[in-house]
Amino acid sequence: GQNIDQPTEMTATEGAIVQINCTYQTSGFNGLFWYQQHAGEAPTFLSYNVLDGLEEKGRFSSFLSRSKGYSYLLLKELQMKDSASYLCAVRDRMTGGSYIPTFGRGTSLIVHP
Amino acid sequence: NAGVTQTPKFRILKIGQSMTLQCTQDMNHNYMYWYRQDPGMGLKLIYYSVGAGITDKGEVPNGYNVSRSTTEDFPLRLELAAPSQTSVYFCASSTLNRDRARDEQFFGPGTRLTVL
Repeated sequence: GQNIDQPTEMTATEGAIVQINCTYQTSGFNGLFWYQQHAGEAPTFLSYNVLDGLEEKGRFSSFLSRSKGYSYLLLKELQMKDSASYLCAVRDRMTGGSYIPTFGRGTSLIVHP
Repeated sequence: NAGVTQTPKFRILKIGQSMTLQCTQDMNHNYMYWYRQDPGMGLKLIYYSVGAGITDKGEVPNGYNVSRSTTEDFPLRLELAAPSQTSVYFCASSTLNRDRARDEQFFGPGTRLTVL
């Protein structure tokens, strides 16, 4: 099975930088995803890491260390619209050979003026 | 493309009633999933399917059933609804989930179900 851990809630100021951490334990790691979910809406894809290192996409970056079972999502130049829940998902190889993602509980980010 | 569509958007059931949550995708994705999300929690996998005619249990399958007769449709059946099944249900799809490939999931808008 998997154990995915993220902070429950974080707060930050508009214009600042925030880092959301995710730690995991898995038997057949095959990629890590970050999704954004606004209140009352469906999750939407943000980023993907499968090799160690940093992936940058505009104001969002995601980092992965497979040896440490650790990832973070970095949000720069925070805007009010970034207030949302951020879900870390780890894709694992299942018994039948399929690769299936499992989600953490999500981190609720509150951005205030 | 409409992407992933779900019906109904909202539903209230009485204890012991049954219902089917519909999910359709028009992206020709092989993989489809059903998740439930309780307040303040992440997504818990109920069932998934890797293609038409193939389904498998996820983390929380008890009280639910699925079928996958076509690539496009993946309905979720609730038999004998219970208050513990009050939740938001999300359907999702992805392509082939190839080894190390991105193949991210696309989610439907969700069905908000209350069992009283």
